[in-house]
Amino acid sequence: DIVMTQSPDSLAVSLGERATINCKSSQSLLYNSNNKDYFAWYQQKPGQPPKLLVYWASTRESGVPDRFSGSGSGTDFTLTISSLQAEDVAIYYCQQYYSIPLTFGGGTKVEIK
Amino acid sequence: EVQLVESGGGLVQPGGSLRLSCTASGFTFNSFWMSWVRQAPGKGLEWVANINQDEGEKYYVDSVKGRFTVSRDNAKNSLFLQMNSLRAEDTAVYYCARDQRDSKYAVWDVWGKGTTVTVSS
Repeated sequence: DIVMTQSPDSLAVSLGERATINCKSSQSLLYNSNNKDYFAWYQQKPGQPPKLLVYWASTRESGVPDRFSGSGSGTDFTLTISSLQAEDVAIYYCQQYYSIPLTFGGGTKVEIK
Repeated sequence: EVQLVESGGGLVQPGGSLRLSCTASGFTFNSFWMSWVRQAPGKGLEWVANINQDEGEKYYVDSVKGRFTVSRDNAKNSLFLQMNSLRAEDTAVYYCARDQRDSKYAVWDVWGKGTTVTVSS
């Protein structure tokens, strides 16, 4: 199974400041035949289901604000919130879809400082 | 409006059974792979199972193989999860989710609100 490890577990950022979340996979998620990373980010607010933010490591889902950006390739990935807003308080999860079983990282809780 | 609504959760004793349902609306259900994803209280997300459009392919996380069965009824726009031999560690909110990729290697763009399963004596 592919293990997804997120860091940090939590972070507190001032409004308008940058938040950076990291995710590392136990094996490469880059599929050579199409040069795509099978990697996604989700946001989950309290009492709500997850919401897809980014897939293919850097493609924003329709309707997701452009302050959210995904980067990285292979085994190391980053989600950046360029200017934290109050509504971004949530837990963020990474996910690999390179192989079955599909697996998630443990989550990173983002709060306002 | 694209929507998924789960039902069927509840309190069940260890060793018992439960059948979850998910009703889809607002999209062509029979065109999509579908999944179940669960979240134990205060914990992270865990993919449980997925199924292709015609039930010809089904995949499960190891911890539920042989105990859970995923199925669907395209005529009723419904997804199911039959859960047998339930254990305390199956206690979770169970989400139904739509795969945007038409593949077992799923990314989920539509989620239900979830249904809660509690396994306890």
